[in-house]
Amino acid sequence: KNQVEQSPQSLIILEGKNCTLQCNYTVSPFSNLRWYKQDTGRGPVSLTIMTFSENTKSNGRYTATLDADTKQSSLHITASQLSDSASYICVYSGFQKLVFGTGTRLLVSP
Amino acid sequence: DAGVIQSPRHEVTEMGQEVTLRCKPISGHDYLFWYRQTMMRGLELLIYFNNNVPIDDSGMPEDRFSAKMPNASFSTLKIQPSEPRDSAVYFCASTTDRGGEQYFGPGTRLTVT
Repeated sequence: KNQVEQSPQSLIILEGKNCTLQCNYTVSPFSNLRWYKQDTGRGPVSLTIMTFSENTKSNGRYTATLDADTKQSSLHITASQLSDSASYICVYSGFQKLVFGTGTRLLVSP
Repeated sequence: DAGVIQSPRHEVTEMGQEVTLRCKPISGHDYLFWYRQTMMRGLELLIYFNNNVPIDDSGMPEDRFSAKMPNASFSTLKIQPSEPRDSAVYFCASTTDRGGEQYFGPGTRLTVT
């Protein structure tokens, strides 16, 4: 069982709509939790990094939340654009450890 | 800065051949990471360096894989001998802070036939 699980595996939404991606992690101790965006054929790009004491962080139309008690994080995308079509990867960072989720593939349709 | 530079972008080789992947980190970044990405397993950390010294290589799959960082501006990941199951995209990333934002290169797509 992966220590960082993301859902859904894939998602199709219409341009302009909002969506929320989920990340559950089981590992500890916790240092920070990151969300990356990966366009097809490119390397991942950091969207947000949240420490244990932060429960929300925004980057433009992207808002990440973190509940350290339930070990859940979400990434909310507002007013989606075609350029949001990509894979979104949740990454747990603990003591000397980085654990990656397998990602959610998002397709924004016109 | 040009960002993290990787070469080659694509590599096709036959099973049993030696493969060398190259990475130039962002100037001033003293952490360098090598990752492998496949559809089945997602992104996996292979090894990372701090100030050119390997810190954690527990993700290196087996002895066929080796990585070096002879200086602050260059690192290599070598596979010898290569096998079809090594086919993946290999990413290099660098950062100034081990716990901070990492900057990824464009990746090398390796196909071993």
